[in-house]
Amino acid sequence: QQPVQSPQAVILREGEDAVINCSSSKALYSVHWYRQKHGEAPIFLMILLKGGEQKGHDKISASFNEKKQQSSLYLTASQLSYSGTYFCGTESGDYKLSFGAGTTVTVRA
Amino acid sequence: NAGVMQNPRHLVRRRGQEARLRCSPMKGHSHVYWYRQLPEEGLKFMVYLQKENIIDESGMPKERFSAEFPKEGPSILRIQQVVRGDSAAYFCASSPEMGRYEQYFGPGTRLTVT
Repeated sequence: QQPVQSPQAVILREGEDAVINCSSSKALYSVHWYRQKHGEAPIFLMILLKGGEQKGHDKISASFNEKKQQSSLYLTASQLSYSGTYFCGTESGDYKLSFGAGTTVTVRA
Repeated sequence: NAGVMQNPRHLVRRRGQEARLRCSPMKGHSHVYWYRQLPEEGLKFMVYLQKENIIDESGMPKERFSAEFPKEGPSILRIQQVVRGDSAAYFCASSPEMGRYEQYFGPGTRLTVT
């Protein structure tokens, strides 16, 4: 069963922050975050493992609440290059990923 | 330092023909995953393979679809007797071994069935 992402879409001005949420009805062992631009391959952002800590990459960071089966991706001081569709992929012990429907982020100057 | 390679990038087939999609994983990676993406939707898992072995094919339609990853050469996703509903982008991803590792995606093959 695929995870649920929210919001479906968000529009930001450069420099603003945003949070994307991902929740699952199944116990999770890992959560993977990707960004995809139209017509291109998904680009790996980060992986969060059960029992692991919050991760960060430049001004993009993420957290993983195992008990709530949720993960959040934080976009801080957004840049134009952050525009795209963000997907969370959840893994429940079988190493294959179930992806959410995506959150479209548009950053405007 | 080549990434995941897929070919062809675009493939047009008439209904009833066969489609063969190829995926060469990143150097040093021995595990391959295939995903299908319909327009404006997320990625759907199809199959997980390591060399000469199918680990999980639970996302693969029971008929017309098959996948392999031979000892030598790329992984191949084969769709026989294609129908309009098979039109989609097919992505493969690779990881170094079994476990909770990041999966790196190829550029995808966009299949159009006319």
